[in-house]
Amino acid sequence: NAGVTQTPKFRILKIGQSMTLQCTQDMNHNYMYWYRQDPGMGLKLIYYSVGAGITDKGEVPNGYNVSRSTTEDFPLRLELAAPSQTSVYFCASSYFIGTSNTGELFFGEGSRLTVL
Amino acid sequence: AQTVTQSQPEMSVQEAETVTLSCTYDTSENNYYLFWYKQPPSRQMILVIRQEAYKQQNATENRFSVNFQKAAKSFSLKISDSQLGDTAMYFCAFIFSGGYNKLIFGAGTRLAVHP
Repeated sequence: NAGVTQTPKFRILKIGQSMTLQCTQDMNHNYMYWYRQDPGMGLKLIYYSVGAGITDKGEVPNGYNVSRSTTEDFPLRLELAAPSQTSVYFCASSYFIGTSNTGELFFGEGSRLTVL
Repeated sequence: AQTVTQSQPEMSVQEAETVTLSCTYDTSENNYYLFWYKQPPSRQMILVIRQEAYKQQNATENRFSVNFQKAAKSFSLKISDSQLGDTAMYFCAFIFSGGYNKLIFGAGTRLAVHP
């Protein structure tokens, strides 16, 4: 199993450009998340999804959009990139059903985005 | 709101020694999970250890153990027989039951293991 796969791993954007970070998981997890990690800081939740067609904002959603059309995929869209969006982005997934929940998240390897 | 605080930005330890990383959290929830994640220079997030709040027994995974003090809202990580490969950022994190497994992270502690 590949687990959680993110692409691209590195990207440089100019101010005002847009791009999509791709995330796919092959573990049939129902929950998926996008986090950002600024230098020397912990991860902050951008958006999350509890199933196909259902998304909700996290702590820092401004400047981002997401969609979840399938269980496997959870792309993150950056519109009008700004220097403040320079960060490392992590996609993660988790499985929760009924009383079966370990609380564990499985993370992708991260995508480093620089906006100049 | 739930918060996680790691008061030690950096720690260092000699190889084979023991080190303890501190973490406190704030929540009004009664059912929750606490985690320690390791992030080596590769930036991969690796689960080190997990503790369920309803369990009084402290979790242990090989050289890693926790001291979970629920009343004090404290969750420290002890690394025994430190190895060079333990050099990494360590994040304390929290999930409350019913919270869609949304992890809340502390700011992290950078651990350096010296030979």
